[in-house]
Amino acid sequence: DSGVTQTPKHLITATGQRVTLRCSPRSGDLSVYWYQQSLDQGLQFLIQYYNGEERAKGNILERFSAQQFPDLHSELNLSSLELGDSALYFCASSTRPGRNRNTGELFFGEGSRLTVL
Amino acid sequence: EDQVTQSPEALRLQEGESSSLNCSYTVSGLRGLFWYRQDPGKGPEFLFTLYSAGEEKEKERLKATLTKKESFLHITAPKPEDSATYLCAVQALSNAGNMLTFGGGTRLMVKP
Repeated sequence: DSGVTQTPKHLITATGQRVTLRCSPRSGDLSVYWYQQSLDQGLQFLIQYYNGEERAKGNILERFSAQQFPDLHSELNLSSLELGDSALYFCASSTRPGRNRNTGELFFGEGSRLTVL
Repeated sequence: EDQVTQSPEALRLQEGESSSLNCSYTVSGLRGLFWYRQDPGKGPEFLFTLYSAGEEKEKERLKATLTKKESFLHITAPKPEDSATYLCAVQALSNAGNMLTFGGGTRLMVKP
């Protein structure tokens, strides 16, 4: 158990709909990352938040948005869903950067599997 | 643009048959190279961090090595429980935040 909790584990919805994925990081971790994993694209970085602020942005579509709340949990909002958005969405967290050289040691949740029909 | 290529895509081994997985990378200044293990239906699990060419890390039957262009994950006398997808990722010095760029992974199957 990584200590990162993601809900829901599975989600089936229709094209054009909007969904929200939720992530609770490990206790004490300030950074939250969102990754998308599909069969043809592998693990793709979407966005990172650090203590409530956006820190880095990857290949995140304009239809997608995220935020990190004061209690450090994070939500990823996916709107106007398309068939191609079907994927596993992972949240990960890490300790404060700078003090620990292992800034690439991420702790991943078990993912939210999104199916768009 | 940072790129990570892993080979082979899939590898079948007999229990006890040692082998190596390859990770080739191009990055604008390497901050670190990371190996993760992913079991079906689970999130990736951190294995190793390597920072500079010549560095090696070991954990049980796994040993990771790093050169200026690639990394190898050596698996000695593997067991069926080593079956998983092994992911390699790089972190560039120029990255804002701690984002990782992952390769496509090598799916390892170890038969008893």
